[in-house]
Amino acid sequence: QVQLVQSGAEVKKPGASVSVSCKASGYTFTNYYMHWVRQAPGQGLEWMGIINPSGGTTTYAQNFQGRVTMTRDTSTSTVYMELSSLRSEDTALYYCTRDQGDYWGQGTLVTVSS
Amino acid sequence: DVVMTQSPLSLPVTLGQPASISCRSSQSLVHSDGNTYLNWFQQRPGQSPRRLIYKVSNRDSGVPDRFSGSGSGTDFTLKISRVEAEDVGVYYCMQGTHWPLWTFGQGTKVEIK
Repeated sequence: QVQLVQSGAEVKKPGASVSVSCKASGYTFTNYYMHWVRQAPGQGLEWMGIINPSGGTTTYAQNFQGRVTMTRDTSTSTVYMELSSLRSEDTALYYCTRDQGDYWGQGTLVTVSS
Repeated sequence: DVVMTQSPLSLPVTLGQPASISCRSSQSLVHSDGNTYLNWFQQRPGQSPRRLIYKVSNRDSGVPDRFSGSGSGTDFTLKISRVEAEDVGVYYCMQGTHWPLWTFGQGTKVEIK
């Protein structure tokens, strides 16, 4: 069965960076693009960007350009999302989800606080 | 950029009664391949989003048949024929036509009266 398992919760100080991982299993990793979506407390879903696990190419939402980097490791079927220059407004649940949203990770809570 | 607008944003419903959520896009969601990539997601409290409907009207595996999707072009609707207690949560429409960019609606909170 398809599973996307994300790394655990993180607490970071303003200005720091965070890396969240998403390990895929149950399907051919390189056959499906992966998106990252975040959800601030009590808010809606916000698309952050997409990575092609096959070639590693990425497209980022304008709101995150310059601060987000998505990478992948095909040897472990894992995608990574790194967000830098963190501010309090980045406190949110971060989700990975397979293309067209048929499978989602469990979410990773990132808390930014001094 | 494509803007997705849902209404209503809050929907109190009596158990066993129908519910309907509207989603409008600022641009046509008909892809050059002829498909319309409009999906609906349910997010129950404390859970990850779950896809219910893909390409306007196709129910995902395991989704009860009381959920149905319809629409075309820029106007879409999610209907629940008879609301059950487990349907409480927030519902989002999402366009995937203008790939690779996704856009979500603001979400509609369904609660029991």
